[in-house]
Amino acid sequence: ETGVTQSPTHLIKTRGQQVTLRCSSQSGHNTVSWYQQALGQGPQFIFQYYREEENGRGNFPPRFSGLQFPNYSSELNVNALELDDSALYLCASSLTGVLGSPLHFGNGTRLTVT
Amino acid sequence: QQQVKQSPQSLIVQKGGISIINCAYENTAFDYFPWYQQFPGKGPALLIAIRPDVSEKKEGRFTISFNKSAKQFSLHIMDSQPGDSATYFCAASINTGNQFYFGTGTSLTVIP
Repeated sequence: ETGVTQSPTHLIKTRGQQVTLRCSSQSGHNTVSWYQQALGQGPQFIFQYYREEENGRGNFPPRFSGLQFPNYSSELNVNALELDDSALYLCASSLTGVLGSPLHFGNGTRLTVT
Repeated sequence: QQQVKQSPQSLIVQKGGISIINCAYENTAFDYFPWYQQFPGKGPALLIAIRPDVSEKKEGRFTISFNKSAKQFSLHIMDSQPGDSATYFCAASINTGNQFYFGTGTSLTVIP
């Protein structure tokens, strides 16, 4: 069973730039969620994708966008980066339609905005 | 507004002792309550989870106690070991739905 993999592991960007983070979901999972984890805080829900459609969104502005591909992998795109976007971005996969299916997290991408 | 409130922020326990972490919630629609363990440089990993139809669930040294009327739940780690030193997060969701609400985390240190 292949777990959730994310790339890159670390990234440094300048304020105003755009960034794309990638995620491969665990085999057999059909749903991908993205979370932002600021230093010393719990993960905050950004959005979820199921069947290549956004299936729920947290309190994040539209400059945070995403995609899910037919193989269930996913991208998180952030435009017009701000200093406060510096955080660990976590991708989690799960199986929609199965009661009790938990989130399985990757190890995250550490984004630093300077 | 923090949907799930977690305490304490940090905890130091002697090896062999009991570690207790508490969480409280307000939304009575929540019906799935997992606990996650996170080591530095890693993503959170599911430890144990409970639904509100039971008051306690035990898996090995880890136990969740759930008090529906008080809207509180807690994680107990029995016989705490140095390898348990990590950050623990409680969370809640509706029907394992699309959004999980996490607590702010508890940094546990187990002293040998």
